[in-house]
Amino acid sequence: QKEVEQNSGPLSVPEGAIASLNCTYSDRGSQSFFWYRQYSGKSPELIMSIYSNGDKEDGRFTAQLNKASQYVSLLIRDSQPSDSATYLCAVSRAGTALIFGKGTTLSVSS
Amino acid sequence: DGGITQSPKYLFRKEGQNVTLSCEQNLNHDAMYWYRQDPGQGLRLIYYSQIVNDFQKGDIAEGYSVSREKKESFPLTVTSAQKNPTAFYLCASSIVILANHEQFFGPGTRLTVL
Repeated sequence: QKEVEQNSGPLSVPEGAIASLNCTYSDRGSQSFFWYRQYSGKSPELIMSIYSNGDKEDGRFTAQLNKASQYVSLLIRDSQPSDSATYLCAVSRAGTALIFGKGTTLSVSS
Repeated sequence: DGGITQSPKYLFRKEGQNVTLSCEQNLNHDAMYWYRQDPGQGLRLIYYSQIVNDFQKGDIAEGYSVSREKKESFPLTVTSAQKNPTAFYLCASSIVILANHEQFFGPGTRLTVL
């Protein structure tokens, strides 16, 4: 059974701090890795995708991938109260649908 | 204005009824998906379709049915055989069902069994 694991949280950080969200996956053949943000009662919104080892930065967001350790993370710099949401990690290999983790709830306090 | 639409936003079903959830996309995406989300849970795949007139079961297909007669449309029917259908249903699409292709979601339909 292919799995994606995330700490459910809540992860609480003060405004302006760095939030670090982590995800591990079991399928070594995984090739694509995604982070989605989901506000309460809303649908998931894609915020980052990463396909090769290393870091990928987009504004305040940085995704980090380590395929050897089967680990992907999302860093949010200068966290804002509007970043408070559930963050879903999703993983796939070629020709298959995404497998989602259960998500980590982030709370940013002002 | 490209995107994915789902209707209705809220749906109430009586015991023993079949209901159909609509999903339409104008992104010219080949692949479409249906997921179910329960409180505090991740997304679980119900069905997916890579091309018109073809679809595959996901992890929790029992009690559900789909059709893909047009590229733009992928309706989901929740049948009376689905014993616990109350959930948030999400439709998604991607260019093709290959790695490196991002998947985008519609706004969702919240189904409640009365």
